[in-house]
Amino acid sequence: EIVLTQSPATLSLSPGERATLSCRASQSVSSYLAWHQQKPGQAPRLLIFDASNRATGIPARFSGSGSGTDFTLTISSLEPEDFAVYYCQQRSNWPPTFGQGTKLEIK
Amino acid sequence: EVQLVESGGGLVKPGGSLRLSCAASGFTFSSYSMNWVRQAPGKGLEWVSSISSGSSHIYYADSVKGRFTISRDNAKNSLYLQMNSLRAEDTAVYYCARREAMEVWGQGTTVTVSS
Repeated sequence: EIVLTQSPATLSLSPGERATLSCRASQSVSSYLAWHQQKPGQAPRLLIFDASNRATGIPARFSGSGSGTDFTLTISSLEPEDFAVYYCQQRSNWPPTFGQGTKLEIK
Repeated sequence: EVQLVESGGGLVKPGGSLRLSCAASGFTFSSYSMNWVRQAPGKGLEWVSSISSGSSHIYYADSVKGRFTISRDNAKNSLYLQMNSLRAEDTAVYYCARREAMEVWGQGTTVTVSS
């Protein structure tokens, strides 16, 4: 099973700042990596699929990069609604696995 | 609008059973593989089970193998999860999600296993 390790566990930033979240895979997942956002009391929502493709309706301030084992989710300028937990997820190898999450909190 | 709606959660005693349902709408359900993913209170996301579009391929997490059964009815646009021999550690919100890319999620249904 592929293990995804996200860092940092918690990121404290202010609105308007740039956020950089990392996800590292225990072995190559090619580009089969997604990012999901989850707000308290809500279901997860797909932000980025296949490493760098924004899902339908996702604002351009969200971008993804990377391939192989190292991936990054960047939020260019934080809006108040962006403070949430972010999970990376791979579908390259069975079973699908998730990272442990990065909590993005307001500083 | 593409939508997934789960139902069937509730409070059940250890060793009991529960059947979850996921109703799909807004897309051709029969063309997509489907998944169940769960989230224990205060924890992260855990994949539980997957089923291919025609039910020919079915997979389970080791933690539920032999106790849970995934199925689907393409004529009814519905996905199911039969959960038997439930344990306290099965307590979670259960989500259905479309494809292994988890591109669409339902709102979740809560399962609590407690005496």
